[in-house]
Amino acid sequence: KQEVTQIPAALSVPEGENLVLNCSFTDSAIYNLQWFRQDPGKGLTSLLLIQSSQREQTSGRLNASLDKSSGRSTLYIAASQPGDSATYLCAGAPGNNYGQNFVFGPGTRLSVLP
Amino acid sequence: KAGVTQTPRYLIKTRGQQVTLSCSPISGHRSVSWYQQTPGQGLQFLFEYFSETQRNKGNFPGRFSGRQFSNSRSEMNVSTLELGDSALYLCASSLYSLAGGPTDTQYFGPGTRLTVL
Repeated sequence: KQEVTQIPAALSVPEGENLVLNCSFTDSAIYNLQWFRQDPGKGLTSLLLIQSSQREQTSGRLNASLDKSSGRSTLYIAASQPGDSATYLCAGAPGNNYGQNFVFGPGTRLSVLP
Repeated sequence: KAGVTQTPRYLIKTRGQQVTLSCSPISGHRSVSWYQQTPGQGLQFLFEYFSETQRNKGNFPGRFSGRQFSNSRSEMNVSTLELGDSALYLCASSLYSLAGGPTDTQYFGPGTRLTVL
């Protein structure tokens, strides 16, 4: 059974700092991994999707990597801004069942201070 | 292109009642997934529908059910509501293809917040 953990649970940084969020999963037979952000009381916004055959994806100031052998993914945020404050969740689609039944981590709550 | 829409946005029910939530996916998306989000358990997968068929199911009791219509719109139903069913219910759609790739990206709606009294 796939389990996803995220470290740290919460993070507070000054504006402009580069930061890394960590995601670990127990089953390396992961189909793809997706990073989301969630603002308070809102739904999820997709940030990056990494397919199992890929090692990283980039979008603007965001870079996500995937290492299936170690069961880890990281989300790198460059030059953080107050607008980046949100909860960041990673989610893995398990194995090869081709389903969209993502297993989510508990999230990292990020606060970027002006 | 319009995003995923969910109705209603807020619901208040009492124990023992039943409730139906609706989700309209992005136009052209055939896969619809439902999730329950609570402070204690986080985001948990309920079920996924693809082309009107339930393709995957999470570990929830039979009181939770769903269906998908030919236009890909989906509904989920919770019968005999319990206090623990209070949660944010999120729907996500994806284009999805067996070839995989960026079409797997899930797009979430704003959610329906259900409160059971």
